[in-house]
Amino acid sequence: ILNVEQSPQSLHVQEGDSTNFTCSFPSSNFYALHWYRWETAKSPEALFVMTLNGDEKKKGRISATLNTKEGYSYLYIKGSQPEDSATYLCAFINDYKLSFGAGTTVTVRA
Amino acid sequence: NAGVTQTPKFQVLKTGQSMTLQCAQDMNHNSMYWYRQDPGMGLRLIYYSASEGTTDKGEVPNGYNVSRLNKREFSLRLESAAPSQTSVYFCASSDFREETQYFGPGTRLLVL
Repeated sequence: ILNVEQSPQSLHVQEGDSTNFTCSFPSSNFYALHWYRWETAKSPEALFVMTLNGDEKKKGRISATLNTKEGYSYLYIKGSQPEDSATYLCAFINDYKLSFGAGTTVTVRA
Repeated sequence: NAGVTQTPKFQVLKTGQSMTLQCAQDMNHNSMYWYRQDPGMGLRLIYYSASEGTTDKGEVPNGYNVSRLNKREFSLRLESAAPSQTSVYFCASSDFREETQYFGPGTRLLVL
């Protein structure tokens, strides 16, 4: 079992505010780090696939950074909107295993 | 292009009954996965298949068996269902293990 931890478990954000949260993973044998967005009653949908140390990816108001040497990735949401409310999952992949974190649930208040 | 499909969408079983969850993808992906989702625990990998003809255990394989029938289909079998297997089951596929996964709509299973 790979130790993939996400923090915080949940957070509440006022509409228009920016926020960020963390995914921590083992720093050895890194292969890839995925971020997924999971809305209630739907299936997870991919946001980013990150493979290189120092990677920065952006999709609209959402962006992510990756530090493979210290074993963490940040996801940022700029100017949060109610439609950003979801659970955000990270998944760590090394050369032999794949493991998801428990997720950070974001609730954006109007 | 249906993506990843799963059947059934919902199932109620009695303890000790068996059933097979079906999954199919039409994206010509090599890798397929079965996960279970329980409150507060995110997605836990049950089994995966890196390519047609191969299967490997994930984090929580006990009580389950899988078959990669062909490149399109990957089934999950519960031989003797237990209440602890009450969960939502997701199937996913990807071109290769390190690439984006595409998820099916999920199967809600209730074991009484």
